[in-house]
Amino acid sequence: EPEVTQTPSHQVTQMGQEVILRCVPISNHLYFYWYRQILGQKVEFLVSFYNNEISEKSEIFDDQFSVERPDGSNFTLKIRSTKLEDSAMYFCASSVDGVSYEQYFGPGTRLTVT
Amino acid sequence: DAKTTQPPSMDCAEGRAANLPCNHSTISGNEYVYWYRQIHSQGPQYIIHGLKNNETNEMASLIITEDRKSSTLILPHATLRDTAVYYCIVRDSNRDDKIIFGKGTRLHILP
Repeated sequence: EPEVTQTPSHQVTQMGQEVILRCVPISNHLYFYWYRQILGQKVEFLVSFYNNEISEKSEIFDDQFSVERPDGSNFTLKIRSTKLEDSAMYFCASSVDGVSYEQYFGPGTRLTVT
Repeated sequence: DAKTTQPPSMDCAEGRAANLPCNHSTISGNEYVYWYRQIHSQGPQYIIHGLKNNETNEMASLIITEDRKSSTLILPHATLRDTAVYYCIVRDSNRDDKIIFGKGTRLHILP
């Protein structure tokens, strides 16, 4: 069964450094998402992406965050200058259709900012 | 914010049916009820969704009341691997792209 994959599984970085989290969505899916989950808290929506542009973003997704689909298969989340509070699990998801179909989530990348 | 109310935790004996309730009293006509679960340290997993009819798939059954103000997710024969946080989510099929997760119900399957 096709699945969403994410790399790396765990990323440790120093405060102020840039990080890029990578995701390979399911191949025939057209909508892509990033969510995050701070330890012990709810899963929070960050951004949705369709047709090579952001379709919606949350308040969390400020100027430090950006997304890109550089080569038609990868979907990346970049954090330009990481802060301690960016430490969380980051989940990528994809779906065939944006509104009426289920989203399939990847296993997540645990980001630790020291 | 999430438009649903779920009990924070439930226990169920292994092999028995797990019935997880959800209240969504403000649900509107275009909104579907979705269920996801999150096993510890994994990404959320889609289970099932429905509009007003009861639905069944290989994982679970979804029972939606006639007034659509509440629903129940049924895992017919719970196993230890079903221990997870279960999220009931209301999504507008015409508008909502993102998923808004609440706190969910932490289901413990007891051996």
